[in-house]
Amino acid sequence: EAGVAQSPRYKIIEKRQSVAFWCNPISGHATLYWYQQILGQGPKLLIQFQNNGVVDDSQLPKDRFSAERLKGVDSTLKIQPAKLEDSAVYLCASSPSPLSSYNEQFFGPGTRLTVL
Amino acid sequence: AQKITQTQPGMFVQEKEAVTLDCTYDTSDPSYGLFWYKQPSSGEMIFLIYQGSYDQQNATEGRYSLNFQKARKSANLVISASQLGDSAMYFCAMREGRSYIPTFGRGTSLIVHP
Repeated sequence: EAGVAQSPRYKIIEKRQSVAFWCNPISGHATLYWYQQILGQGPKLLIQFQNNGVVDDSQLPKDRFSAERLKGVDSTLKIQPAKLEDSAVYLCASSPSPLSSYNEQFFGPGTRLTVL
Repeated sequence: AQKITQTQPGMFVQEKEAVTLDCTYDTSDPSYGLFWYKQPSSGEMIFLIYQGSYDQQNATEGRYSLNFQKARKSANLVISASQLGDSAMYFCAMREGRSYIPTFGRGTSLIVHP
């Protein structure tokens, strides 16, 4: 079974530029999560989707970050304009449904963003 | 306040030795759970082991065991018979109430020496 796919794996941009990350969850997984992992810290949840609807985006900086999952499968996370403090690894994860147990969430390899 | 504290930024262990990675937590919810994840250099978070607050026995999964001390609010990970492939970042995380979404600590880097 294929895992969670993310692209690109690495991205370097100048501050104030825009960037987009793509995630394809495990086939059949209805719930998708985007996390931000700043260097030296653990991942922090940015947004959770259930199919194509947003369940929780309370930690998403909505002035510059946006995310969509239009057809309820793959998802795009965008930053516009980027700031230096957005340098981080952006992890995507998926689960078959909203988490009801401890071993249902699967993570992708992440996209490492460097903002210069 | 930090919900998960991992005080060891880095740990070194000799191959085949056991190592303990520390984790303390803070919650007032009687229903919670503690996770440990491994993050190799490839980037993905790999689930290792879980302990629920009502579980009577300490969790074990192969070479991984969780030393759960509820009164001390600690949930240390013990890796027995370390292997070179165990070199990675290790994250302790917690869920609270009805949510199973983990809140992560800052992680501990483990290096296994041959």
